[in-house]
Amino acid sequence: KAGVTQTPRYLIKTRGQQVTLSCSPISGHRSVSWYQQTPGQGLQFLFEYFSETQRNKGNFPGRFSGRQFSNSRSEMNVSTLELGDSALYLCASSLEGNSPLHFGNGTRLTVT
Amino acid sequence: GIQVEQSPPDLILQEGANSTLRCNFSDSVNNLQWFHQNPWGQLINLFYIPSGTKQNGRLSATTVATERYSLLYISSSQTTDSGVYFCACRQGAQKLVFGQGTRLTINP
Repeated sequence: KAGVTQTPRYLIKTRGQQVTLSCSPISGHRSVSWYQQTPGQGLQFLFEYFSETQRNKGNFPGRFSGRQFSNSRSEMNVSTLELGDSALYLCASSLEGNSPLHFGNGTRLTVT
Repeated sequence: GIQVEQSPPDLILQEGANSTLRCNFSDSVNNLQWFHQNPWGQLINLFYIPSGTKQNGRLSATTVATERYSLLYISSSQTTDSGVYFCACRQGAQKLVFGQGTRLTINP
């Protein structure tokens, strides 16, 4: 079974631009969650989606948004990028909310 | 929300040594996982263990839910065990909360 796939792996953007990251969950998994990892803040929860509905949301500004499609694939978007948005963005999928999470390899975003 | 604390923050050992990593959580949980993050940033699922004991090769984990802690044991450490180990907990339908991690360095 293929694992969680995140694209792209690396991304360099300029302040003020926007970016869209993609996550394809393990086949059959209906829950997708997103995390931001920075050296100073550790792993911070962004969103969780289940069957196209946002179930939980972390404490991030409105510039961060996400969605899940009917095939369980998910995207997250960050608008008006700031230098502090530079981070490793990790996506995880699970069968349902309390099942074990399986992570993708992440997208490393650099904002210059 | 739930608080998750891991100790120690850093651990340096020689190859072959055994280690114990601890995760304390502030409230009852229905989901607890241990992850290993390798130097390339990949988070690998080690154990899903909201209660009880599990073993997988040189690694084992125990969660004592009534006392709100979990332990990860690594025996006969190898250099490939180096990396950061995270404990993550979930209470009910709330978000999964990660501890700050234990950075393990195994020297040859």
